[in-house]
Amino acid sequence: AQKITQTQPGMFVQEKEAVTLDCTYDTSDPSYGLFWYKQPSSGEMIFLIYQGSYDQQNATEGRYSLNFQKARKSANLVISASQLGDSAMYFCAMRDRSNDYKLSFGAGTTVTVRA
Amino acid sequence: DSGVTQTPKHLITATGQRVTLRCSPRSGDLSVYWYQQSLDQGLQFLIQYYNGEERAKGNILERFSAQQFPDLHSELNLSSLELGDSALYFCASSVEGGRDYTATQYFGPGTRLTVL
Repeated sequence: AQKITQTQPGMFVQEKEAVTLDCTYDTSDPSYGLFWYKQPSSGEMIFLIYQGSYDQQNATEGRYSLNFQKARKSANLVISASQLGDSAMYFCAMRDRSNDYKLSFGAGTTVTVRA
Repeated sequence: DSGVTQTPKHLITATGQRVTLRCSPRSGDLSVYWYQQSLDQGLQFLIQYYNGEERAKGNILERFSAQQFPDLHSELNLSSLELGDSALYFCASSVEGGRDYTATQYFGPGTRLTVL
């Protein structure tokens, strides 16, 4: 069964604007970690931000923040002040005990930043 | 730069051949994970090694094998290659043994394998 769902296959955003990438997850384990990765066209996978299931506050890393809504099982990534270099594929991923702590990825969302 | 290195960056080979992909983890990391990324299957976990021992297995074919050496570098061996094995193969590393859901996996730049 699909554990991570990213419903937006592609998005366009204007430079300097904010964009929100949706991610919903499915787990019955109370302990889990949520991760976002960026994959530019060059192919590498870059870790962006982490949110733990017990974290009281939403994670932030520079221009990246995570809108964590535990009851709704969503962990949306917000990129503020978009830059041309933010154009990439973004993956949401999760680790939990029910999947033997393996990192499970969503299908990804492509973001294109327009000048 | 994540600190994880992978060689080669690109590999082009023919069906039926065997190739070896190499990965060096970040300094201090004991776990190495291998992933396959293809257009139809997305990102799939293949196998994990921790300090030289196999720790977890995912969707790894019997034609594929891996090992982790005493210096902690790892190799993924792909044999009897088929067209469908063409993909981007990632290595990732983390400091923990694979039971810590809070631990981040850092990815290498990947090896793009093309089977003709």
